[in-house]
Amino acid sequence: AQKITQTQPGMFVQEKEAVTLDCTYDTSDPSYGLFWYKQPSSGEMIFLIYQGSYDQQNATEGRYSLNFQKARKSANLVISASQLGDSAMYFCAMSSGYSTLTFGKGTMLLVSP
Amino acid sequence: DAMVIQNPRYQVTQFGKPVTLSCSQTLNHNVMYWYQQKSSQAPKLLFHYYDKDFNNEADTPDNFQSRRPNTSFCFLDIRSPGLGDAAMYLCATSREGPPDTQYFGPGTRLTVL
Repeated sequence: AQKITQTQPGMFVQEKEAVTLDCTYDTSDPSYGLFWYKQPSSGEMIFLIYQGSYDQQNATEGRYSLNFQKARKSANLVISASQLGDSAMYFCAMSSGYSTLTFGKGTMLLVSP
Repeated sequence: DAMVIQNPRYQVTQFGKPVTLSCSQTLNHNVMYWYQQKSSQAPKLLFHYYDKDFNNEADTPDNFQSRRPNTSFCFLDIRSPGLGDAAMYLCATSREGPPDTQYFGPGTRLTVL
C-alpha cells in the first residue's frame, strides 16, 4: 500500500517570499513517482512537477522545485518568489508499481500582498 | 492546444434523476480516469479505462457507471443521484498507466436537489 502525508493544513506567505510545502510518503515499491498538483478555487487540478524515484537530481519547473530526500521519504515542494496567483490548495500525490495516484489531504496556501 | 475538456462545468439534477457527465481529450492518451472530490477532501478515484479495459475501484458504488465509446471520450453515468453524490467530478488522462503523469480537466460541479 502507498501513503501520502501532508501535515500542514494551511500555510501563509508574503508575496515574493519563498515557501516550502511538506510531503512525506510511504511505499514498499522501489519504483514510484511523486507529483504535486495545484487546485485553485475554480476546481481544476493543475499538474506542477514530477519526481521519479530513480531520478538523481531534484526536479525543477520554473518557480517550482521538488526537494526530494529519498532516505527520509520526503518530497517537499518549494515555491520561490510567491505570487498572489499562487494562492490555492496544493496536493502531493504518488503512484507506485501498478497503483494509480494516491493523494495527500492537501495544504491550503494563502499569499498576502 | 491539447487538452482535457469536461462538459458541463456545472450540473444541477434532482434526487434520483439520472445524470451523465462528459469528458473528452485531444491528447490521444490511452488511460482515462474519473475522480470524485467532495468539499475539503482529496480526489477519490472511481474507475479508469486503460484503452477499452475498464477498472473499477472496489469501493465505487454501483450507482456509478462509465462508458468509453472511443479513445477521445469517456462518460460518467450516475443512475440515481443521492444528496451524498453532490461533489466535483474530475476527469484525468495519462499516456500510459502508472506512474505516468495524469492531466486533469476543469471538472464538473454536481449539485443534487
